[in-house]
Amino acid sequence: DTAVSQTPKYLVTQMGNDKSIKCEQNLGHDTMYWYKQDSKKFLKIMFSYNNKELIINETVPNRFSPKSPDKAHLNLHINSLELGDSAVYFCASSLLRQYSGNTIYFGEGSWLTVV
Amino acid sequence: SQQGEEDPQALSIQEGENATMNCSYKTSINNLQWYRQNSGRGLVHLILIRSNEREKHSGRLRVTLDTSKKSSSLLITASRAADTASYFCATALIQGAQKLVFGQGTRLTINP
Repeated sequence: DTAVSQTPKYLVTQMGNDKSIKCEQNLGHDTMYWYKQDSKKFLKIMFSYNNKELIINETVPNRFSPKSPDKAHLNLHINSLELGDSAVYFCASSLLRQYSGNTIYFGEGSWLTVV
Repeated sequence: SQQGEEDPQALSIQEGENATMNCSYKTSINNLQWYRQNSGRGLVHLILIRSNEREKHSGRLRVTLDTSKKSSSLLITASRAADTASYFCATALIQGAQKLVFGQGTRLTINP
């Protein structure tokens, strides 16, 4: 049973297109995230949602729009794709307990290539 | 600038040897976590150490935390080929919602 699943795993698309990456977690967690990992393996948080509410938005271009229809799903929609958007996008989730130390569970990643 | 920075960026050792990776950070933390990423996969949580702890063990893993130096180390003893992966430290800041800030990782290669 996959805890955090995201689709598609690979996505090649042209500049200017709009694309979405879907994410679902079956862990019953309250918090979900999107992280971006660039070619240098640098992993940076983009968004975080807690029970469908946006709680972290890390200076991400407004071409990126997360959508959380329920607390088990957090999708990422990207408009007008640019070459620099090429990266691996990871969905993740955690059981939010303030200061208790959350373990974050990651999906397997979505490899986005913009050509 | 990054909160967490791993050192070295790459490490290659022989199977059976111990591997030590270091992580430095800048601001006060609630806890520090280590994750492993196999090539082409997502990150997997290894171990968490809280700011009031100095050392923690899990199997062949040993993590230390020195809050005065704002640094942590991950030691993998008796390394195996399957330990080949990238290892990331992540710091949970004290303020605000739960957010982990990741370093750039150490690429560990275990040679058989």
